[in-house]
Amino acid sequence: GNSVTQMEGPVTLSEEAFLTINCTYTATGYPSLFWYVQYPGEGLQLLLKATKADDKGSNKGFEATYRKETTSFHLEKGSVQVSDSAVYFCALSDQAGTALIFGKGTTLSVSS
Amino acid sequence: DTAVSQTPKYLVTQMGNDKSIKCEQNLGHDTMYWYKQDSKKFLKIMFSYNNKELIINETVPNRFSPKSPDKAHLNLHINSLELGDSAVYFCASSQEGAGGRSQYFGPGTRLTVL
Repeated sequence: GNSVTQMEGPVTLSEEAFLTINCTYTATGYPSLFWYVQYPGEGLQLLLKATKADDKGSNKGFEATYRKETTSFHLEKGSVQVSDSAVYFCALSDQAGTALIFGKGTTLSVSS
Repeated sequence: DTAVSQTPKYLVTQMGNDKSIKCEQNLGHDTMYWYKQDSKKFLKIMFSYNNKELIINETVPNRFSPKSPDKAHLNLHINSLELGDSAVYFCASSQEGAGGRSQYFGPGTRLTVL
C-alpha cells in the first residue's frame, strides 16, 4: 500500500541555518505530494505541494522537488527563523484524490 | 472568515459517554474528512464524505459514525467512549476530483476520555 517515511526528529537548528527534512514515499501510480506544517496548539496548514514529477513546490522560503526516480520530496529552507519552529508533515494523495497519507511528522526547533 | 471550523475545541468526558464533534466548511468543497492524531502526533484518516456519501472508512470502530446533513457539514458522533479514543480529531475539506486537490484543515478538537 501507499506510505510515507520522514526523517525522525527532533531537528534542532540555530537561526539562519539551512534546513533539510527528508521524505520518501511508496505509491502506485502518480501520487501528489504535500508538506503540511502544524504550529503548537494549531491545526495543519498546507505549506506546499507538487502534483507531478520534477515539479517544485515553494512557499514562505520553503521548497521541495518531486523526484520520481528517488521517490522523494525533501523539504528545504535556506535560512530558518525561530518562527519556523513547528511539526512538519509530508503526505501523499493517490490519483483518486481520497485521503492523505501522512508521514509521522518531524519536529523542528529553531533557537536564536 | 474561518474556512474550516470545529466545535468544541476541547472535550473532556467520562468513559462510556456519547459525544459529538461538529465541523463546518465555507469553502464550497464537495469532500470532507475526519482524521485522528494520536499522542505521538501520527495522523490517520478515519472517514471521508463526498456528496453526502461515505467513500472510505479506515477500519474505524463502529462506535464512530460520521453524519453529514449537507455538503458544508460533517459531524462525528462517538458512542460508548473508551480511554483509547483520547486524541485530537481534525476535520478537513477539499474539492472533489483528482489527486492534488489540497485539503484544508480545521483547528482540531482535543478529546480527553477519563
